[in-house]
Amino acid sequence: DTAVSQTPKYLVTQMGNDKSIKCEQNLGHDTMYWYKQDSKKFLKIMFSYNNKELIINETVPNRFSPKSPDKAHLNLHINSLELGDSAVYFCASSLLSGGLTNFGPGTRLTVL
Amino acid sequence: ELKVEQNPLFLSMQEGKNYTIYCNYSTTSDRLYWYRQDPGKSLESLFVLLSNGAVKQEGRLMASLDTKARLSTLHITAAVHDLSATYFCAVDTGNQFYFGTGTSLTVIP
Repeated sequence: DTAVSQTPKYLVTQMGNDKSIKCEQNLGHDTMYWYKQDSKKFLKIMFSYNNKELIINETVPNRFSPKSPDKAHLNLHINSLELGDSAVYFCASSLLSGGLTNFGPGTRLTVL
Repeated sequence: ELKVEQNPLFLSMQEGKNYTIYCNYSTTSDRLYWYRQDPGKSLESLFVLLSNGAVKQEGRLMASLDTKARLSTLHITAAVHDLSATYFCAVDTGNQFYFGTGTSLTVIP
């Protein structure tokens, strides 16, 4: 069984569209995260979320919003997509905030 | 702004040799992470270091943390080809979280 899963694996879309990436973890972890890795392989944390607190990296545009329907899911919604949003987005989870994290396989987003 | 610098950026080493990757950061930290990423793959958590002097080891990899020097090291012992990957450190100050630029390691038979 996949511990952290993401869908879709690839997402190609036009500028200006709105899209979502889904993430689910079956580990019973309390904290989930979204990370972005750009074409130069630079990594950035975007959000961390547990059932009590959402922490947002202040550099993330407000076009990006995490939505958590329950403890096992943290979806990423992106409005008005821009070319610079093209990247690989990784979802992850950890048992406790700040612990070892399990990463999803990544979603490669291409904005045309 | 927190700065996290890794060196070297690229490392090519022969099997059986030892080497160290360095991670320097610019402010006090709560914890320091090391990750591994194989080409085209996701990330794998290796270590979380919480306190000054912390040392953790897993197989041929050993990570240490010196919070006074604001330095973490990832030491590779007797490298094998399977260790070829990119290694990232990341620093969590409690209200900032930044990754290093990564060290691309190639182990040559």
